[in-house]
Amino acid sequence: ETGVTQSPTHLIKTRGQQVTLRCSSQSGHNTVSWYQQALGQGPQFIFQYYREEENGRGNFPPRFSGLQFPNYSSELNVNALELDDSALYLCASRGLAQETQYFGPGTRLLVL
Amino acid sequence: SQQGEEDPQALSIQEGENATMNCSYKTSINNLQWYRQNSGRGLVHLILIRSNEREKHSGRLRVTLDTSKKSSSLLITASRAADTASYFCATDPTSGNTPLVFGKGTRLSVIA
Repeated sequence: ETGVTQSPTHLIKTRGQQVTLRCSSQSGHNTVSWYQQALGQGPQFIFQYYREEENGRGNFPPRFSGLQFPNYSSELNVNALELDDSALYLCASRGLAQETQYFGPGTRLLVL
Repeated sequence: SQQGEEDPQALSIQEGENATMNCSYKTSINNLQWYRQNSGRGLVHLILIRSNEREKHSGRLRVTLDTSKKSSSLLITASRAADTASYFCATDPTSGNTPLVFGKGTRLSVIA
């Protein structure tokens, strides 16, 4: 167990809807990153938050947004869902000076 | 986009045999990490090797890094059925704001 939790574990939405995924970081970790993993692919970096500010972003459109809270928990929001948004969404936390990221179990999102 | 490419895409071996997976990448890196994923769940960190290191061991795992060839290998010795999983290499690039760039993974099946 990494100490990183995510909710919900599974989610089904329809095209055009909005979704919020949640992540609780490992204690003491102030940096959280979100990744999207399509079936049969490796994880792709969405964005990273440090002390409630986004400080890195991958090649994802603005309808992917996030928040980090003072307790370092985090949310990923996706608006106007598309079928291709169906994937496993992973969050990972670490201390700023740490090289290793600790991943949660993921949320599997299915868009119909 | 994904920087790393694992080879082979799939590997099937008998219990007790050694498993070797290779990873190639494109840009300069701070370090390279190997992760394991069971059945589309969260990623488990296995081992990290820094750009100034050439070889590292952890239990039954041996990782090598050749920065001149931009390649790494992961060797799992005396494999067990419980080693069945997908294995990903991930690079920490020296430039840009992406914390980790993953390959597409190698699917390892260990047959008892």
